[in-house]
This record gives sequence, C-alpha cells and structure tokens, in this order.
Amino acid sequence: ETGVTQSPTHLIKTRGQQVTLRCSSQSGHNTVSWYQQALGQGPQFIFQYYREEENGRGNFPPRFSGLQFPNYSSELNVNALELDDSALYLCASRGQNQETQYFGPGTRLLVL
Amino acid sequence: AQTVTQSQPEMSVQEAETVTLSCTYDTSESDYYLFWYKQPPSRQMILVIRQEAYKQQNATENRFSVNFQKAAKSFSLKISDSQLGDAAMYFCAYRRNTGNQFYFGTGTSLTVIP
Repeated sequence: ETGVTQSPTHLIKTRGQQVTLRCSSQSGHNTVSWYQQALGQGPQFIFQYYREEENGRGNFPPRFSGLQFPNYSSELNVNALELDDSALYLCASRGQNQETQYFGPGTRLLVL
Repeated sequence: AQTVTQSQPEMSVQEAETVTLSCTYDTSESDYYLFWYKQPPSRQMILVIRQEAYKQQNATENRFSVNFQKAAKSFSLKISDSQLGDAAMYFCAYRRNTGNQFYFGTGTSLTVIP
C-alpha cells in the first residue's frame, strides 16, 4: 500500500455532466499530481498542485481543474464531460524534495 | 520534448527465469530521474526501482536491477528469479530534475508462466 487513497473507485456519467474525483495523500506530501490513463496506455500528466496552487499542467483543456487542501486531500474536477474522458484517473503524491511519487489505486470513469 | 518508449507491448517469462524489459527515452537534459513502476491488475501503481541520471552505478532492489546507458538513453529493467506475483504492467517513467511532470511509456505487459 502506498498510503494514497482515491474515491470513488468507479463512476458512470453521461456526456455533458460534471464530475469530481477525490484523493487523499500521505501526511506530509505537499505535492499532488493527477494523471489520465486511457485503456492500454501509460498515464498522461494532467496537472500538479504544490501547497494548494497549480504549478504545472499537461496538455489538457481548462475544463480539467483541481483543488488541493491543507489536509493533504485534493480534487480533480472535469466539466462538460466527453466520451474520450473515459479513463482511469490516478493521483500521485510526493513529499518536498522527494523524487518518487506514490500512486493511489485510481478512479475508473466511464462517460456514456 | 521528453518521450519515453517501451517497444515491447507484451513479454512472458518462465517462473524462476530472468526477463529484461526495454525502455528508451529522449531528452536534452543532463540531470533527471528514471523510474520503473509496476501496475498489477488491482491497478495501484507501485514503484519498483529508481535511477538518478548523475549516478553511474546501476540501481538494484533485490531481484530487480536496471541497465542504465546514459549515452544511449536506454533504461532496461531486469527481473531475476521471476515469480508469479511479478505478473503486471510495467511502466518506464522519466522526470527532469527541476521538473514537475512525469512522462510514462505505454507499458509492457509481463506474463509469468508457472
């Protein structure tokens, strides 16, 4: 176990809806990243938060947004869901000056 | 742009034998980190091994070792004495020393044959 948890484990939404995915990091891990993993692919970086501010973003549109809270929890919000948003969403956390990030089990999102 | 390539979509190995998974990457940086992550069917990605680019010595973690060839931009993973529990997807990943983003390859699915 990595000490990183995510909820829910599975989620089904319809096109156009909005979704919020949650992640709880290890205590002391002030950096959290979110990844999208499409079926048969490697994880793709969405964005990273450090001390509650976004400090890095991959090639994802603004309808992907996030929040990080002081209690080491974070959220990924996706608005106006599209069919291609169907994927496994992973969060990963790491402590300051740590090179290794630790992953949660993921949330499987299906958009119909 | 950094890219990570895993050219073996699937590999298989007999239990107790040795297998090597390949990974190449493209970067103009001189200081970076390389990782191998394992993703079993339960989905949770687990760190297998990490290599700092400034270290010439290859990293080793028990049955897992790497062959890091910096000039060739190659980072292969060797699994010795393969066990049934080693069956999983293996992802190679790269991160710049000063960067935030991890770049992952497309993965290699490893099957261990009893």
